[in-house]
Amino acid sequence: GIQVEQSPPDLILQEGANSTLRCNFSDSVNNLQWFHQNPWGQLINLFYIPSGTKQNGRLSATTVATERYSLLYISSSQTTDSGVYFCAVERSFGNEKLTFGTGTRLTIIP
Amino acid sequence: DVKVTQSSRYLVKRTGEKVFLECVQDMDHENMFWYRQDPGLGLRLIYFSYDVKMKEKGDIPEGYSVSREKKERFSLILESASTNQTSMYLCASTEAARRDEQFFGPGTRLTVL
Repeated sequence: GIQVEQSPPDLILQEGANSTLRCNFSDSVNNLQWFHQNPWGQLINLFYIPSGTKQNGRLSATTVATERYSLLYISSSQTTDSGVYFCAVERSFGNEKLTFGTGTRLTIIP
Repeated sequence: DVKVTQSSRYLVKRTGEKVFLECVQDMDHENMFWYRQDPGLGLRLIYFSYDVKMKEKGDIPEGYSVSREKKERFSLILESASTNQTSMYLCASTEAARRDEQFFGPGTRLTVL
């Protein structure tokens, strides 16, 4: 099956700093999503981004499908950004079945 | 807003017990999913369903079964719980043929003693 690797596994930053999270995948995909899991376990979809660039406030994401990676940028980090960020991909059309990476745990220190 | 609810946030069961985890979504979504989440492993798909009474195995179905008798409800069943099934269980739903967002429930943290 498709492999999804995220880096770094852990990231500790001071409030206000910027960060870049990376997701590499082993095969072509038609669906890529970024999720944030808050410290209470709730997963929230951040971006649907199989290719191109999107921005939502302080967060933006870029997927370069031909090179099989995606980047999530967080600017001016806040403590509420803490949690685990997951990248998930769907290999082929038809079943909306996502394969998740192992996540990046982000800790923002006040 | 789409809401996906799960029957319990925390559950403690004994080895060998039959365990039911319930998931309900209120947006008439066709697709529903059960995942388990373990440290260092991310989320892994156990089972999914495209429609009532329809189910397909995910990546790790062993030791689990599912039931979908109504469109809004998807149940995960541990026929005989074992300690290696101690985990966080997450349910999700999505509209058929929509790829842009899976909606997740709050999760059930199951401990099997």
